[in-house]
Amino acid sequence: AQKVTQAQTEISVVEKEDVTLDCVYETRDTTYYLFWYKQPPSGELVFLIRRNSFDEQNEISGRYSWNFQKSTSSFNFTITASQVVDSAVYFCALSENQAGTALIFGKGTTLSVSS
Amino acid sequence: DAGVTQSPTHLIKTRGQHVTLRCSPISGHKSVSWYQQVLGQGPQFIFQYYEKEERGRGNFPDRFSARQFPNYSSELNVNALLLGDSALYLCASSFPPQETQYFGPGTRLLVL
Repeated sequence: AQKVTQAQTEISVVEKEDVTLDCVYETRDTTYYLFWYKQPPSGELVFLIRRNSFDEQNEISGRYSWNFQKSTSSFNFTITASQVVDSAVYFCALSENQAGTALIFGKGTTLSVSS
Repeated sequence: DAGVTQSPTHLIKTRGQHVTLRCSPISGHKSVSWYQQVLGQGPQFIFQYYEKEERGRGNFPDRFSARQFPNYSSELNVNALLLGDSALYLCASSFPPQETQYFGPGTRLLVL
């Protein structure tokens, strides 16, 4: 069965620290998609990134970077030089091709960045 | 460009009542999905519609139903409300279902 695990419930850092949010997934499909979403206090889920199972290249976007490793079924997210505006709940999600496109979310990691 | 819109933003109901939540997708998007997010948890998939047909359904009771209209907007209906239905209901749209889903601001439902 498909599953997404975000073992870190809460993380607190001070501004300018680097922080990594962990995501481990389980799926039997060979074709699948992984996502990260950010949920600020307003509640709206903001799309950050999507990767498919055939593309293991790491990606960097400004202060954000993602490390996808199929060998360990992980898709970790790193924020470099964190800022107070990064404070939010971050969700990792999985979508399997054969199961339609329902997103399966982890329980989320609450990131608090203090000044 | 307008994003996904949902109405109402907040709603208070009592047990046993019925509720209808509405969603308008991003212009050009033909697929709408509904998710329920209970406090402290990740969103749970309820339904997906594409071209007015149900494409997927999550593990929710028959009290939950939905439909999609010719203009691709969607309604989520919940009958016989229970206290446990209190949650943030999120709508997401995508062009075909396989593409990235973009979420609306959600409707916060409180059942008393």
